[in-house]
Amino acid sequence: AQKITQTQPGMFVQEKEAVTLDCTYDTSDQSYGLFWYKQPSSGEMIFLIYQGSYDEQNATEGRYSLNFQKARKSANLVISASQLGDSAMYFCAMRESSTGGFKTIFGAGTRLFVKA
Amino acid sequence: DVKVTQSSRYLVKRTGEKVFLECVQDMDHENMFWYRQDPGLGLRLIYFSYDVKMKEKGDIPEGYSVSREKKERFSLILESASTNQTSMYLCASSLSGTGEGSFFGQGTRLTVV
Repeated sequence: AQKITQTQPGMFVQEKEAVTLDCTYDTSDQSYGLFWYKQPSSGEMIFLIYQGSYDEQNATEGRYSLNFQKARKSANLVISASQLGDSAMYFCAMRESSTGGFKTIFGAGTRLFVKA
Repeated sequence: DVKVTQSSRYLVKRTGEKVFLECVQDMDHENMFWYRQDPGLGLRLIYFSYDVKMKEKGDIPEGYSVSREKKERFSLILESASTNQTSMYLCASSLSGTGEGSFFGQGTRLTVV
């Protein structure tokens, strides 16, 4: 069963506008972590932002914010004031406990295109 | 700087060969992961390890095995490579239970012919 769902295979946004990338997750853990990563065409994976399941405030990192709605099990990424360099694949990920440690699983990703 | 280094950027192997993909990290992270990345499927977890000699299956372990003899090194083994294992393989490492993201290697593009 899909545990991380990103329903938008591709998104377009005009430069300088804000964009929301959707992510829903499924877990029975009480304690878990949610992450967003960016993968530009160069292929490297860049960590953007983290939200802990017990954090009451939405996480923010510069132009990135995470809209965490625990009851809905959603963790959407909001990018404000989009820039051309934001064009990339974006992955939502969840860390949850496993038998002996923690594992991190990823969604299928959303490709964001920023238009000039 | 945290570094996760994968031994090869590109590999071409023949069907039936035994293939070793090596990953080394230099930050004393206890957790290490192997993923494969395919278009439209995102990153799928193959195996992970939370300590030396400890390993757990991820979501798609079939056809793969792993070895972690030292904390810094995590190897992915394709016992008998098949064409459906042609993919990009990504290694990652992380600390447990922190808000720090995982650190990824540069990836190995494996082609099985």
